[in-house]
Amino acid sequence: ILNVEQSPQSLHVQEGDSTNFTCSFPSSNFYALHWYRWETAKSPEALFVMTLNGDEKKKGRISATLNTKEGYSYLYIKGSQPEDSATYLCAPLRDSNYQLIWGAGTKLIIKP
Amino acid sequence: DAEITQSPRHKITETGRQVTLACHQTWNHNNMFWYRQDLGHGLRLIHYSYGVQDTNKGEVSDGYSVSRSNTEDLPLTLESAASSQTSVYFCASSLDQGEQYFGPGTRLTVT
Repeated sequence: ILNVEQSPQSLHVQEGDSTNFTCSFPSSNFYALHWYRWETAKSPEALFVMTLNGDEKKKGRISATLNTKEGYSYLYIKGSQPEDSATYLCAPLRDSNYQLIWGAGTKLIIKP
Repeated sequence: DAEITQSPRHKITETGRQVTLACHQTWNHNNMFWYRQDLGHGLRLIHYSYGVQDTNKGEVSDGYSVSRSNTEDLPLTLESAASSQTSVYFCASSLDQGEQYFGPGTRLTVT
């Protein structure tokens, strides 16, 4: 069973501060890593799909990096805003199998 | 605009009844997935399909079945509903290994 760990489990951040959190996964048979954002009472929405070691992707104030050799990815949020409050899920894809293995998520709460 | 829909959005049923949850996508995606979300467990895969006539079991498939007769639909059937199947159910679709697009979810209560 693929073990995906996200840390921290939850995070309180002051509005305007920047923050980051981690996704760790076994590096063997890596194919891709997905990041999703999941707001309360809504459905998960994709942020990034990353495949290459050293890859860095950016969407507005949110960016992510990927290290496939050591099996981790960081998600960064610059200048947090209240609308960033959500649970952020990472999910690696192993081999070319289309099944994502979901982490438990990091719950981010932005304090105004 | 392409979308993925689920129906019903809320359902209350009795133990032992058969229940079918519908999922319909207009993205023309080959892959479709059913997940359940429970407190403390995150998303768990129930069944998935890579294309028409293809279905596969996920990690929590006992008590559930799916069928894929066309590209757009993957209905999820609970053959004999149990209280342990009270949950929020999400359907998702994707093109190959790309991002998954999620439906709005169905909240199912089994009494």
